[in-house]
This record gives sequence, structure tokens and C-alpha cells, in this order.
Amino acid sequence: EIVMTQSPATLSVSPGERVTLSCRASQSAVSRNLAWYQQKPGQTPRLLIYGASTRATGIPARFSGSGSGTEFTLTISSLQSEDFAVYYCQQYNVWPPLTFGGGTKVQIK
Amino acid sequence: QVHLVQSGGGVVKPGGSLGLSCVASGFSFSDYSLHWVRQAPGKGLEWVALVSSDGDNKYYTDSVKGRFAISRDNSRNTLYLQMDRLGAEDTAVYFCARAGSKLALYYFDYWGQGSLVTVSS
Repeated sequence: EIVMTQSPATLSVSPGERVTLSCRASQSAVSRNLAWYQQKPGQTPRLLIYGASTRATGIPARFSGSGSGTEFTLTISSLQSEDFAVYYCQQYNVWPPLTFGGGTKVQIK
Repeated sequence: QVHLVQSGGGVVKPGGSLGLSCVASGFSFSDYSLHWVRQAPGKGLEWVALVSSDGDNKYYTDSVKGRFAISRDNSRNTLYLQMDRLGAEDTAVYFCARAGSKLALYYFDYWGQGSLVTVSS
């Protein structure tokens, strides 16, 4: 099983700031098969990025993804008020099981 | 427009059984694999099970193998999850989710609204 580790667990930021979230895979076999999701309280997860760097339909350009192998990054170039949420990474290269990271909560500073 | 509408869920005693359904619309149902993902209260996301587009191939996370059964009816555009021998550790919101690709690239682009399953005596 590939274990996905996200850091930090919580990030306190101000609107307009640049945000960088990290996701690390326990094994190198993830390749670029990595997705990012956003989840707000009481809502379903929303796909942001797949293939490590491809934005999903309708996702604003301020969201970008990078990385391959074991190290991945989600960057929000200028945080908007609607971006305060929990972000999850997920690998889909080696399965079963498909595995998610534990999440990073982005909260208001 | 893609929609996944879930039903089922509720409160069940330990050792009991429960079934979930997920009715899909807005896409060619039989072209996509479908999944169940769960989220325990205040916790992160956990993949539970996958069924291939034709229903022939099924995979499970280890903790539910032998207790949960995923299935689909392509004539009814419906996904199912039958959960038996439920324990407290199965308490969670269960989401159905569509694979984002017709290939075996299992990220999830559409999600159901979630069904709360509570296992409690």
C-alpha cells in the first residue's frame, strides 16, 4: 500500500497570500498519477487537479499542481476567501487500495 | 450534466447490515468504473471499493473484504454497496464517485451527496 503524507496538517494564511501544500508518497511508483481535491465543511470533495498538474474542468487558474514520483505540490497563487477548506491528495498509480493523504486544512490567519 | 444521487444509510446495530444505492444520470453509465469512498466523522477520505464499467471486476480495501459487496446494474444506471457485519469502525459518510477517465485512471471527478451510516447499539 502506498501511504500518502500531506504537510502541513494545518496552514493559517491571509487572503491574497500564495499557498503551497505538499504531498509525499511512500514509494516512487506513483509516477504522475496524483490528484488533488478540495473539501469544504459539509460538502462533497471537489476535484481540482489530476495527472499531477492538469486542472479539472472549471477550476480557476490560481490552482496549479506539480511534481512526479514521490513529491507533489499544490499551489494557490493568491488565496481567495472561498479557498479556505481542506485539501487532499490521492494516488491512483498502484491499487488496490487507492489512497488519500490525511489532508491539509487551510484556515484564515 | 452529471448527477450521482445516493439513497440508503441510517443507523444500524453492530453486526447488522445496510445497503446503499447511487443513481447516475447525465453520462454513459456503462462506460465508467464507479467507486465508494467513505469519511469517518472528522476524519479524512478512505477509498472503499471499485467496480469496473462492465461489473465484472471488483476490488476492496482490506478492512471491508468479505463484508461489503459492490455491484452495479447498467440497465438501471445504479451502483450499490451492500454492507454486512458492520462494526463501529464503519461509521462514516459514504460517497459514490465516478472515475474521471474511461481508462484505469482512478481519480474521481463526480461525487454523490453522501450517505451517513452510523453503527451503534
